Amino acid sequence: NAGVTQTPKFQVLKTGQSMTLQCAQDMNHNSMYWYRQDPGMGLRLIYYSASEGTTDKGEVPNGYNVSRLNKREFSLRLESAAPSQTSVYFCASSGGWTSLATNTGELFFGEGSRLTVL
Amino acid sequence: GNSVTQMEGPVTLSEEAFLTINCTYTATGYPSLFWYVQYPGEGLQLLLKATKADDKGSNKGFEATYRKETTSFHLEKGSVQVSDSAVYFCALTTSGTYKYIFGTGTRLKVLA
Repeated sequence: NAGVTQTPKFQVLKTGQSMTLQCAQDMNHNSMYWYRQDPGMGLRLIYYSASEGTTDKGEVPNGYNVSRLNKREFSLRLESAAPSQTSVYFCASSGGWTSLATNTGELFFGEGSRLTVL
Repeated sequence: GNSVTQMEGPVTLSEEAFLTINCTYTATGYPSLFWYVQYPGEGLQLLLKATKADDKGSNKGFEATYRKETTSFHLEKGSVQVSDSAVYFCALTTSGTYKYIFGTGTRLKVLA
């Protein structure tokens, strides 16, 4: 019963390095999301993908890129990491608005990826 | 735009005390409302939800009622336990969007 799986769980980067966070869901959800969580800021949406083949910016997209590889997978890439990107990153998925009545419309979260940029 | 405001924490209570965490929202249209809980070192889990006005969501002794007239969705529990210590997030989404908006979270600490 995997749900949403993120890798890696921990990563330390130097300023300017690049990396990709991977996310996969096995619930056949249409929509996938990347959030970052910072102390006192709650969760802020970076990018989302409403359905396979589409991606859109959220509140804080600068410095990030995403790829919806297929229905299951949604990756987040940092091309040139900065200390301001030190955060905990969460991937989430959802069956979408019309699925709320069937308990799949809410967000399902991965366990998080803790990224430190030195 | 849509937004969620929840009370600042941390909230510290003794075991068996009554809990209220306030949440108010602004939204166009008719939002669905959620409470998520995050235990230390884990991702967020859905605690309860309400999809229309006057609905009451409940789970694990927690309750919240969707009050359209006061645009509120306050979380309550009659008797908290140490195991309820976590961060609680209020959130909403609205029809026609794919975005979920979260409050800043309220940390609850329950002392034995």
